Amino acid sequence: AIQLTQSPSSLSASVGDRVTITCRASQGISSALAWYQQKPGKAPKLLIYDASSLESGVPSRFSGSGSGTDFTLTISSLQPEDFATYYCQQFNSYPHFFGQGTRLEIK
Amino acid sequence: QLQLQESGSGLVKPSQTLSLTCAVSGGSISSGGYSWSWIRQPPGKGLEWIGYIYHSGSTYYNPSLKSRVTISVDRSKNQFSLKLSSVTAADTAVYYCARGVQGVLDYWGQGTLVTVSS
Repeated sequence: AIQLTQSPSSLSASVGDRVTITCRASQGISSALAWYQQKPGKAPKLLIYDASSLESGVPSRFSGSGSGTDFTLTISSLQPEDFATYYCQQFNSYPHFFGQGTRLEIK
Repeated sequence: QLQLQESGSGLVKPSQTLSLTCAVSGGSISSGGYSWSWIRQPPGKGLEWIGYIYHSGSTYYNPSLKSRVTISVDRSKNQFSLKLSSVTAADTAVYYCARGVQGVLDYWGQGTLVTVSS
């Protein structure tokens, strides 16, 4: 099974900061990666699919890049509502495991 | 707008079978090209992929749960279900259902907490 490792596990940042979260796959997955945002007590929300495609309705300050084994999620200018936990998920091959999550906190 | 809603027992005794249903509204579960997934999240922990069923009826399960999991579809009721047998305290979690498009989970239910306790 393909394992996903996110880094960092947690991150403190300020409103207006540029933030990057990394997801590394244990083997190549082409561009079959999605990013989700989860706020406390809520279901995850799809942000990015196919590594770099922005889901409809998601602000353009979110962007994704990468292919193969290394991927990044970037938030260009943090807003107060962006403080949450972010997960990557691969869908190149079964099973479709998630990364362990990155908790983004207010500095 | 597609909506998914989980329902089922919130308390299950150890060794028994957890049963949950996900009702789909605003769209047909029989529409081609979609998979119907279950994901869970133990308290304070990350997301764990449980498995999914394709519109064709094919199923794919997390290898670590495969011997205990069954996902099925009831097209007449526009819903799909999860059964997890021989539960222990480690199965205590919020359980989510979701729709997948080529594996991407675009619509999620709100989640339901299932506690395993005697």
